[in-house]
Amino acid sequence: GAGVSQSPSNKVTEKGKDVELRCDPISGHTALYWYRQRLGQGLEFLIYFQGNSAPDKSGLPSDRFSAERTGESVSTLTIQRTQQEDSAVYLCASSTDYEQYFGPGTRLTVT
Amino acid sequence: AQSVTQLDSQVPVFEEAPVELRCNYSSSVSVYLFWYVQYPNQGLQLLLKYLSGSTLVESINGFEAEFNKSQTSFHLRKPSVHISDTAEYFCAVSYDSNYQLIWGAGTKLIIKP
Repeated sequence: GAGVSQSPSNKVTEKGKDVELRCDPISGHTALYWYRQRLGQGLEFLIYFQGNSAPDKSGLPSDRFSAERTGESVSTLTIQRTQQEDSAVYLCASSTDYEQYFGPGTRLTVT
Repeated sequence: AQSVTQLDSQVPVFEEAPVELRCNYSSSVSVYLFWYVQYPNQGLQLLLKYLSGSTLVESINGFEAEFNKSQTSFHLRKPSVHISDTAEYFCAVSYDSNYQLIWGAGTKLIIKP
């Protein structure tokens, strides 16, 4: 079946603009994760959705970052007033258990 | 705080030589352990996992990892590497039942011809 998809694959934006990144998880996966991967670094956890429970937002780096998920489907990660340090690959993953399935990521470049 | 340590950011090794990528975690309570791999210009994918049972787990492409509770380690090994193993390898640990993973910083495996 279809894997996790993310859009756009690449996004170049000017400093100060808002961006919205989209993730379509695998159908039936109750858990959804957003991560950030800066160049040459590991995965930085941002936010976790599990079913209808309140999301775990403990990894969001500032109040400029927010995310929503509609039921057990699409999720959007919004970054307001982007800064150059927000430049990174943003990864989405979904799961039903311990194995996480990753999307290809969105490469965000803030100029 | 719970953490995962991958001591080596890069490991260069000659083709057909053995390799070990190290992973240590911070607690000896019940854990579930994973190695994920990220090939160049590709997404992350699961390589192997330990949930219970045999402490030695294997992947389909010849990698193996051993859960060592006393040393809180889950090192990844391969007896003979191939150029196609060039990738970044991430160790991850779950300490609880809500499936969240704590990630290591990754180790780049560089295969020298």
